[in-house]
Amino acid sequence: GENVEQHPSTLSVQEGDSAVIKCTYSDSASNYFPWYKQELGKRPQLIIDIRSNVGEKKDQRIAVTLNKTAKHFSLHITETQPEDSAVYFCAARVTGGGNKLTFGTGTQLKVEL
Amino acid sequence: DADVTQTPRNRITKTGKRIMLECSQTKGHDRMYWYRQDPGLGLQLIYYSFDVKDINKGEISDGYSVSRQAQAKFSLSLESAIPNQTALYFCATSGGGGQPQHFGDGTRLSIL
Repeated sequence: GENVEQHPSTLSVQEGDSAVIKCTYSDSASNYFPWYKQELGKRPQLIIDIRSNVGEKKDQRIAVTLNKTAKHFSLHITETQPEDSAVYFCAARVTGGGNKLTFGTGTQLKVEL
Repeated sequence: DADVTQTPRNRITKTGKRIMLECSQTKGHDRMYWYRQDPGLGLQLIYYSFDVKDINKGEISDGYSVSRQAQAKFSLSLESAIPNQTALYFCATSGGGGQPQHFGDGTRLSIL
């Protein structure tokens, strides 16, 4: 089955700096890659996603890039703010596997003042 | 989203007890999922259902069972709870055609 690895497990940045979280996947048939943000004690919430026919997608301060050849995708947050502090999860979905997602193990992002 | 409601939000129980966690949704989605979250392990899929007559095992189904009572309701049962099932449990829903999954607020389950 699909395996998703996520790095780093913790990330600390200064307010205003950029943050990058990277994920790799194992199944070349994966075609959809969402990112979820989970604040302490709350539900995971979808913040951005990308499909395999696109190499990059941007939404204000967040962007996701996908390299299908290398089987990795990354989340980029620019101009970080304290409210960006949370756990971020990447996930991958295999074509023909229904809508099942395989999640990475999460990155704890801390934005320091 | 308040559209995906999980009950109870917190539960403490003893080893060997039967427990049911419930999930209901008003999003009109056909697909529903149960996940377990443990610290450092991300979200692991327990069971999923694409409609009332379709139930599928996920990565970690042992020790769990589910029931899809209606399109809007999907319950997760632990027939005889054990301490290593202590975790945060999330229900999620999605539409067809590869639509994104939306999560409920979670149930924090502690088994003593």
